[in-house]
Amino acid sequence: GNSVTQMEGPVTLSEEAFLTINCTYTATGYPSLFWYVQYPGEGLQLLLKATKADDKGSNKGFEATYRKETTSFHLEKGSVQVSDSAVYFCALSGETSGSRLTFGEGTQLTVNP
Amino acid sequence: DAGITQSPRYKITETGRQVTLMCHQTWSHSYMFWYRQDLGHGLRLIYYSAAADITDKGEVPDGYVVSRSKTENFPLTLESATRSQTSVYFCASSLQGPGTQYFGPGTRLLVL
Repeated sequence: GNSVTQMEGPVTLSEEAFLTINCTYTATGYPSLFWYVQYPGEGLQLLLKATKADDKGSNKGFEATYRKETTSFHLEKGSVQVSDSAVYFCALSGETSGSRLTFGEGTQLTVNP
Repeated sequence: DAGITQSPRYKITETGRQVTLMCHQTWSHSYMFWYRQDLGHGLRLIYYSAAADITDKGEVPDGYVVSRSKTENFPLTLESATRSQTSVYFCASSLQGPGTQYFGPGTRLLVL
């Protein structure tokens, strides 16, 4: 079946540091890939997505590239801010999943001033 | 623009009691979902619905019941609550698949 593996957290960075959160997946065919973000006390929000190989999703300074050859979708940001502190979830929707998503376990990011 | 709302936001109940968590969306989205969020497990799908009167099991459906008589509502019932159902429950909706789901603020449930 489909699965998503994220790097273990928590991750603590200083403001303006470079961020990478690793995400790899297992799925047949060509899934769609997503990053969701959850701020404290809130539900999840879509951060970015990519629907085919080599696509790059981007939003709010975050980027992730769909790498079919390495089955990865790593999240990056060049300079994090305190306001980026949140839990980040990688997710996929398989070709036969319809609207269903499979989530990774989430990575807690804390950015210190 | 209310979006998607959940009620109650917090609930404490006892083992064996029936509990219903409510979810309401104002967008007329076709798809609705229920997840539970537990430390170490991420989000796991409990049930989902593709349209009114169409529901299907997700990854962890045991002990839960859903219904969807109207497009905008998707209640989740715990028929006889157990301690293992202590969790944060999220409802979500989407216009069409795949992937862009809109989440409610969550219901934090404690079963004593």
